[in-house]
Amino acid sequence: DAGVTQSPTHLIKTRGQHVTLRCSPISGHKSVSWYQQVLGQGPQFIFQYYEKEERGRGNFPDRFSARQFPNYSSELNVNALLLGDSALYLCASSDRDRGNTEAFFGQGTRLTVV
Amino acid sequence: AQRVTQPEKLLSVFKGAPVELKCNYSYSGSPELFWYVQYSRQRLQLLLRHISRESIKGFTADLNKGETSFHLKKPFAQEEDSAMYYCALSGQHQAGTALIFGKGTTLSVSS
Repeated sequence: DAGVTQSPTHLIKTRGQHVTLRCSPISGHKSVSWYQQVLGQGPQFIFQYYEKEERGRGNFPDRFSARQFPNYSSELNVNALLLGDSALYLCASSDRDRGNTEAFFGQGTRLTVV
Repeated sequence: AQRVTQPEKLLSVFKGAPVELKCNYSYSGSPELFWYVQYSRQRLQLLLRHISRESIKGFTADLNKGETSFHLKKPFAQEEDSAMYYCALSGQHQAGTALIFGKGTTLSVSS
């Protein structure tokens, strides 16, 4: 198992554009969460999905949205990009069904907004 | 408000010295506390969690509910311990992946 995989690894976008980031969880994991990590800060929680339903949302504007598919992979969408959206976006999955609270992280997608 | 505070941005110690990375939290219920570590060019990974009470790579952390702290300790630091360390908490109802992280502490161990 390759672990949690994210694509793309790097991305450059212009202000006002939208972006879609993708995440494939570890096989068997049904819970996926997204985080934004700005340089010099810890990861900040954006969304949590479990069984294709949103189960938690952090303090982010409505420009941020996400969804989870039947195969438990997930997409994070950001509309009307701002310079301040430049960050490392992390995806994490967990085996919530078995009561395992450990979150396994992907390598992240580095988004640069110019 | 839910919050995790790591007061030290950087902690530099010599090999063999004791290490203590501080973490304080604010949470109204019964949180689950974690330490995550990120080695150079590697992904963020779990180091330990308070409910398992285990020692990983010589590190331990005790949850002190009175002081709302979860400090990470190791009696003798090794050079391979150099990394970024994040303290995090999760509300029990959220099954661990909706984590609130501190800003992180860089641990630098030199010989």
